Amino acid sequence: DAGVTQSPTHLIKTRGQQVTLRCSPKSGHDTVSWYQQALGQGPQFIFQYYEEEERQRGNFPDRFSGHQFPNYSSELNVNALLLGDSALYLCASSLEGVSEKLFFGSGTQLSVL
Amino acid sequence: EDQVTQSPEALRLQEGESSSLNCSYTVSGLRGLFWYRQDPGKGPEFLFTLYSAGEEKEKERLKATLTKKESFLHITAPKPEDSATYLCAVRLSGGSNYKLTFGKGTLLTVNP
Repeated sequence: DAGVTQSPTHLIKTRGQQVTLRCSPKSGHDTVSWYQQALGQGPQFIFQYYEEEERQRGNFPDRFSGHQFPNYSSELNVNALLLGDSALYLCASSLEGVSEKLFFGSGTQLSVL
Repeated sequence: EDQVTQSPEALRLQEGESSSLNCSYTVSGLRGLFWYRQDPGKGPEFLFTLYSAGEEKEKERLKATLTKKESFLHITAPKPEDSATYLCAVRLSGGSNYKLTFGKGTLLTVNP
């Protein structure tokens, strides 16, 4: 049973560029959350998707957007990259109404130069 | 503002030397408190969920407890493989609150 898979594992971009990160949830899970983890910090909530809708958003600008597909996979898009966007981006999945336990992927390490 | 504070930031133990990690929280209404373990280069791995004051959960050498203001993660006779960053997170009560608010974590190093 595959867990949460994220791609790519590492990414290097320059300021002003756009990036798309991808996530496949654990088999059977229908809810996907995205978190940003800066070095030495705890993960910070970006948003959560359920039934292809964003149902809660954290304190992140509109440059951060997402999507959930009918197969429950998800994408995180970041436009107009800033140096401060350099971080580990984590995807977590769960099963709505069954368990609050989040299963995290290994993340995508984004470096903005 | 809702806050989660973990202490100490870093802890170095000898193998077999028991200790506790602390997570204090200031929130308007707690739905649940979560403990995760994170190894370098990996995503957090779920350990425990606690919902009410007085609740305790155990797993191998780890035991988590919860009061109205804080949670402790007790590590009994740790081994080098217990070395990791331990993260505490809270979820607020309320129908539309789904996010977890994390602390900065405690970096635990267990020396053989």
